[in-house]
Amino acid sequence: DAGITQSPRHKVTETGTPVTLRCHQTENHRYMYWYRQDPGHGLRLIHYSYGVKDTDKGEVSDGYSVSRSKTEDFLLTLESATSSQTSVYFCAISQGQLEGTEAFFGQGTRLTVV
Amino acid sequence: AQSVTQPDIHITVSEGASLELRCNYSYGATPYLFWYVQSPGQGLQLLLKYFSGDTLVQGIKGFEAEFKRSQSSFNLRKPSVHWSDAAEYFCAVGARGNTPLVFGKGTRLSVIA
Repeated sequence: DAGITQSPRHKVTETGTPVTLRCHQTENHRYMYWYRQDPGHGLRLIHYSYGVKDTDKGEVSDGYSVSRSKTEDFLLTLESATSSQTSVYFCAISQGQLEGTEAFFGQGTRLTVV
Repeated sequence: AQSVTQPDIHITVSEGASLELRCNYSYGATPYLFWYVQSPGQGLQLLLKYFSGDTLVQGIKGFEAEFKRSQSSFNLRKPSVHWSDAAEYFCAVGARGNTPLVFGKGTRLSVIA
């Protein structure tokens, strides 16, 4: 299995509070991604990173921010959590699309906003 | 931009029966295509991938998929389903360059005795 660790694995938080999810990799892959998974929607891209301090928005980026200060860590922050952000969040990594390589996924973080 | 359609939300098959899960993609150039499987409470595991060359690709767990450019399809098949294959299956499309994978909405597979 690819060395990807997501933390926390489960979290319950209140509406309006900030939340940070962490993704840590030991593979030294250049690309890192945050997806959210919701019933009936599959996986939707939130943000991704193509290098340290290089990030870009995905399909559903509103209400989320990211940071990548080291190759191995990619943080996802919900600045003010809302109930619509209750979801399962997956981090993924890949060596790079130029090589056509696949993405490897973490185990997910289940976030509940009450 | 790429897009993926998985027409079947839920499929039920009998153990030992054959399986085909459908995937249609939209992309102007040659796509990179993937099938992932997700067991309950788990992350996604890659089953197989297509980049170029032979249009019939073999994957893990006895799965195969065939790329048909004329039909913009990449259907997943297995000749004999096992109860342990019950899971959710996702088709994804990628492209050259700095382009993240785009996923379909998934097909949930149930296996009955």
